[in-house]
Amino acid sequence: QSALTQPASVSGSPGQSITISCTGTSSDVGGYNYVSWYQQHPGKAPKLIIYDVSNRPSGVPYRFSGSRSGNTASLTVSGLQAEDEADYYCSSYTSSSTYVFGTGTKVTVL
Amino acid sequence: QVQLVESGGGVVQPGRSLRLSCAASGFTLSTDAMHWVRQAPGKGLEWMAVILYDGNNKYSGDSVKGRFTISRDTSKNTLYLQINSLRSEDTAVYYCARDTTMDVWGQGTTVTVSS
Repeated sequence: QSALTQPASVSGSPGQSITISCTGTSSDVGGYNYVSWYQQHPGKAPKLIIYDVSNRPSGVPYRFSGSRSGNTASLTVSGLQAEDEADYYCSSYTSSSTYVFGTGTKVTVL
Repeated sequence: QVQLVESGGGVVQPGRSLRLSCAASGFTLSTDAMHWVRQAPGKGLEWMAVILYDGNNKYSGDSVKGRFTISRDTSKNTLYLQINSLRSEDTAVYYCARDTTMDVWGQGTTVTVSS
């Protein structure tokens, strides 16, 4: 199972919006409503910020949103804040009953 | 409060075996799927294995099949990962995570494979 494809880096100024893509296949991202997104700050464990494509866990700010079109899922961060600077990973359930992560995206707040 | 605490990591010689533990509190393993995920130094997350809530269904990634075994002890509410024939490329932080959504993560335990 190959890792899902994400851009290596994305940057934006405070207050701007950024979008991170996550491209897979019809056997993972495009085939199931089980796409999640995680935020990871340096030296910390990942934190779930989006599950089931577009759902936000309790406590996650509204500025984080998820969507999907075909085999590509997207995470949008609106109103970028300094504390949003982190690594972001997508994940998906697959047709083999396994899971796969994306390659990861480093978000820099300019 | 839902919490996961990993343990069992350390410096291990190549070829040796290791068993990692993940102690759960605030919920019972018999009601949730549980995952192991690892992260090599400076690298991304790698999904390794999942054990479903019933304890009977287990799935693992191609890169770990054969050397890694996921299991649990519901009487101790603890998840395990047995790693055999350790290699230098197994050096990583190993995390356990709860539920199919991986909504709760432990702090990780570090495994360093070195002679």
